[in-house]
Amino acid sequence: NAGVTQTPKFQVLKTGQSMTLQCAQDMNHEYMSWYRQDPGMGLRLIHYSVGAGITDQGEVPNGYNVSRSTTEDFPLRLLSAAPSQTSVYFCASSYSDTSSQPLHFGNGTRLTVT
Amino acid sequence: AQSVTQLDSQVPVFEEAPVELRCNYSSSVSVYLFWYVQYPNQGLQLLLKYLSGSTLVESINGFEAEFNKSQTSFHLRKPSVHISDTAEYFCAVSEESNYQLIWGAGTKLIIKP
Repeated sequence: NAGVTQTPKFQVLKTGQSMTLQCAQDMNHEYMSWYRQDPGMGLRLIHYSVGAGITDQGEVPNGYNVSRSTTEDFPLRLLSAAPSQTSVYFCASSYSDTSSQPLHFGNGTRLTVT
Repeated sequence: AQSVTQLDSQVPVFEEAPVELRCNYSSSVSVYLFWYVQYPNQGLQLLLKYLSGSTLVESINGFEAEFNKSQTSFHLRKPSVHISDTAEYFCAVSEESNYQLIWGAGTKLIIKP
């Protein structure tokens, strides 16, 4: 059981480049989300989805796009990378959108924008 | 939940000593409470959770946390830490009517040999 799989593990971009961070889960979870983790700031929600075809913005959505065409996949697109987007990105999923369900996390993508 | 505060960014402790990691939150409604652990270079994993019932909850690796409604706290404790407990610990809170989790900034547990 793979759980939540993120690719790539590391990425270096130049300012202005675009890229897509991949996230896939095999647990048939309805809820999926993207977080960024920066030192001393905990986790900040970028975008989330409560099911295929449904997405919404989190706390820090600017500069990022998402789509959810299938239950399994939830890619995060950086439209025009900026140094402020240097961070570690985590994808997380849970069984449903009820507030009591724990999140399952991927191992993260470490992104550096130069 | 309006906010979650983890007062200590780092907690150094000797191996086999007890430890307490503090978490306070602000909310006026019923909440669900979580502790997640992040080992080096890994994603976060659920350590324990409080949803309802007994205010003392335990994990499989010896940690426990107690929900204190009057003090709006959910401190994490372990009576004797091991080097393998070296990790960053995150407290998170959600309200019954609002799915989104509110996260604390994290506390790094540093075990000294």
